Amino acid sequence: GAGVSQSPSNKVTEKGKDVELRCDPISGHTALYWYRQRLGQGLEFLIYFQGNSAPDKSGLPSDRFSAERTGESVSTLTIQRTQQEDSAVYLCASSSGTQPYTDTQYFGPGTRLTVL
Amino acid sequence: AQSVTQLDSHVSVSEGTPVLLRCNYSSSYSPSLFWYVQHPNKGLQLLLKYTSAATLVKGINGFEAEFKKSETSFHLTKPSAHMSDAAEYFCVVRGGVSFNKFYFGSGTKLNVKP
Repeated sequence: GAGVSQSPSNKVTEKGKDVELRCDPISGHTALYWYRQRLGQGLEFLIYFQGNSAPDKSGLPSDRFSAERTGESVSTLTIQRTQQEDSAVYLCASSSGTQPYTDTQYFGPGTRLTVL
Repeated sequence: AQSVTQLDSHVSVSEGTPVLLRCNYSSSYSPSLFWYVQHPNKGLQLLLKYTSAATLVKGINGFEAEFKKSETSFHLTKPSAHMSDAAEYFCVVRGGVSFNKFYFGSGTKLNVKP
């Protein structure tokens, strides 16, 4: 079946603008994760959803960042008043959510965000 | 608290020689550990995972990793490197009370010389 998809693949925006990044998880996967990968660095956890609720938002770097998930499927990550330090690849992953200890995450191709 | 340290940011090997990518972890709980590979302009792909079963874990493409609790290590190995193995590799520890938080290492770039 289809894997995790993300859109857009690339986004260039001006400092101060708002952006929305979209993630479509694998059908039936109840767990969804957002990560940020800055150039030359590992992945930084942002937020995790189980179903439509987000029990762990501890990774969101500031109140400019928010995420929501509707219908246990699509999720959007919104960054308000973008700053240059927000430039990164934003990755989404999903997992079945049925076996918390052994679940495997499947990653999307990412959205490359550039803030000018 | 959970964390992962990948000891080498870059590793260079010749084709046909062994690969060793080192990873040390810190975990307050019995850890769940993963290795992911990221090829240029491609998404992250799971290579293998350890979830408290056999300590020697075999993954795809001939890679394997051994969980050593006494050394808090989970090094990735392959007996013979192939040109297609050139990529960035990430060691990941899962932890936390909810087991739904993943901590990524900073990555090791593997270069394979002909």
